[in-house]
Amino acid sequence: DIQMTQSPSSLSASVGDRVTITCRASQSISTYLNWYQQKPGEAPKLLIYGASKLQSGVPSRFSGSGSGTDFTDFTLTISSLHPEDFATYYCQQSYTNLGLTFGGGTKVEI
Amino acid sequence: QVHLQESGPGLVKPSGTLSLTCAVSGDSISSTQWWSWIRQPPGKGLEWIGEIYHTGSTNYNPSLTSRVTILIEKSKNQFSLKVRSVTAADTAVYYCARTGDTFKETNFWGRGTLVTVSS
Repeated sequence: DIQMTQSPSSLSASVGDRVTITCRASQSISTYLNWYQQKPGEAPKLLIYGASKLQSGVPSRFSGSGSGTDFTDFTLTISSLHPEDFATYYCQQSYTNLGLTFGGGTKVEI
Repeated sequence: QVHLQESGPGLVKPSGTLSLTCAVSGDSISSTQWWSWIRQPPGKGLEWIGEIYHTGSTNYNPSLTSRVTILIEKSKNQFSLKVRSVTAADTAVYYCARTGDTFKETNFWGRGTLVTVSS
């Protein structure tokens, strides 16, 4: 199984802050990395797919990237936090059909 | 706009079978997408259960594969999930969803349905 480790598990931030969430894969996953936002009582919402592609309708303050050449480290950045961005964020690897694993989640709190 | 709606019993007895159906509207279940089930235990993270293509091809979470079956019903534009031999650990909100073919991004989700395993 490919394990996905997100950090931090939670963070406190203020409106207007730049926020960065990291996701590390236990092996190379190329760019098969997706990011989701989930608010309490709601289904997750796709933000970023293919590591850096912005889903249609998602604000441009959200961005995704991969670092290094081994395709194991990925970052979700919110350039300027809005009040509606307080939520839990999950990464997901989709490199293998043998289990599309999610990270443990990062809760962004005020 | 694609819409997915889960339906099924909200309470299942231990050792029983959990059965859910997902009705799809706004897209054909025969399109070039995967149709997925994902669950979330109360207060915990997301767990991918499995997926099915319109050809009937399936992929399952290795930790659940012995207990899970996903089927597609083209005539009704819906797909289904069965989880056998359930325990309290299977208590969760179950989501059905549509997943893209290239990056397996899950771009449309149902609202989710809570299934509780209890006697």
